[in-house]
Formats: sequence, C-alpha cells, structure tokens
Amino acid sequence: AQTVTQSQPEMSVQEAETVTLSCTYDTSESNYYLFWYKQPPSRQMILVIRQEAYKQQNATENRFSVNFQKAAKSFSLKISDSQLGDTAMYFCAFIQDSGTYKYIFGTGTRLKVLA
Amino acid sequence: EAGVTQFPSHSVIEKGQTVTLRCDPISGHDNLYWYRRVMGKEIKFLLHFVKESKQDESGMPNNRFLAERTGGTYSTLKVQPAELEDSGVYFCASSQAVPGELFFGEGSRLTVL
Repeated sequence: AQTVTQSQPEMSVQEAETVTLSCTYDTSESNYYLFWYKQPPSRQMILVIRQEAYKQQNATENRFSVNFQKAAKSFSLKISDSQLGDTAMYFCAFIQDSGTYKYIFGTGTRLKVLA
Repeated sequence: EAGVTQFPSHSVIEKGQTVTLRCDPISGHDNLYWYRRVMGKEIKFLLHFVKESKQDESGMPNNRFLAERTGGTYSTLKVQPAELEDSGVYFCASSQAVPGELFFGEGSRLTVL
C-alpha cells in the first residue's frame, strides 16, 4: 500500500528566511503525481505545487519549489523568502496514475512564520 | 465561481445520534472525495465518487457510514449511530479530472460526546 510520511510535525522560520519541509512516500508504481497543499488557519486547503513523477525537472511556483528525488522517494518543499501568510499546515499528497484514483496524504507539518 | 461548500461547519452530537454532512462540489466537477482528519493524524481517504457512482469506498470505516451523491451533484455523508471515534474533521474535495488539482471545502468538524 502506498504511504506518505511527513516527519516534522511542527516547524518555524523567521520572516524572509528559507525553510524546507520534508516528505517521503512509498510506492511500487512508476507513474504518479505528488502534491503539496497548504491549509491556513481556519481556511480551506489549497494547492501549492504539483510534480509529475515522469518529469525530472523540479517544479517551481514563485517562492515555492520542490526537490524531487524519485529513487529516494523523497519530495521536499522549499519556501524561499518566507512570509507571514505562509503560516499554515502543509500536507504532502500522492496519487498513482492508474487504477483507483485515491489521493494519499501525510500527517502534515505545521509551519509558523515568525515576524 | 463558487468553491466547494460544506455544511455544517461544526456539529456536536451525543454518542448514538445521527449526523448528516453535506458537500456541494464545484459545478461540473465529476469527481468528489470525502476525507477525514483526526487531530494529529493523516488526512484519511473515505471514498471517491465519479458523478453519482462510488468509484472507491475502501476507506469507509464500517456500515455506520453511508455516502450518497444525488444526481451527480451534491453529496451527503451520514453517520448513524455515531461513536466517539468518529470525531474529527470531515473534508470534501472535488476535481474536474484525476489525477489533478483537488479543490477542498473548509471541512465539517464533528464532535461526538
């Protein structure tokens, strides 16, 4: 069964600094997608960034980028120039590109950006 | 365009009572998911609808949980009778295509006393 592991329950970072959130996953599939979602306090979850496993190039969205290591089954999220609005729960998610389209989520990392 | 809406936002019930949670997905999204998060744990899959059909209900805990999606539009998740371990936040999400971006509602927090 596929699993997603986020080993950092909580993290904090100073405003304008860089922080990296870790995520590892386990699968025997070769084609799949990985996502990072964020849930700000009292708000709904939104997509931050996605990565297709067949793409070797790491995805980037403005201040957000990933370090995708397929062989190591690692998918970390780097937030550069952290802003107060980045304070949120961050969830890593996986979905295989065949069969049942079930998104598997990790336990989340609570990130606090400090002024 | 309206996002995914869930109702109620918070429900407090006694053990043994019944609760029905409702989700209105984004219009045109055939895929609708229900997830549950218990404090500190992962967001756990419950089931996946494609239009009105249950594509995958492998995550439903037991037969106390019943999900429906009338006419492929809104969905309801009924818990009857509720137990203490059913407490948590129930999320609904919809997607136009899978695998693709999931659009989440704000969640329905269920507290069973």
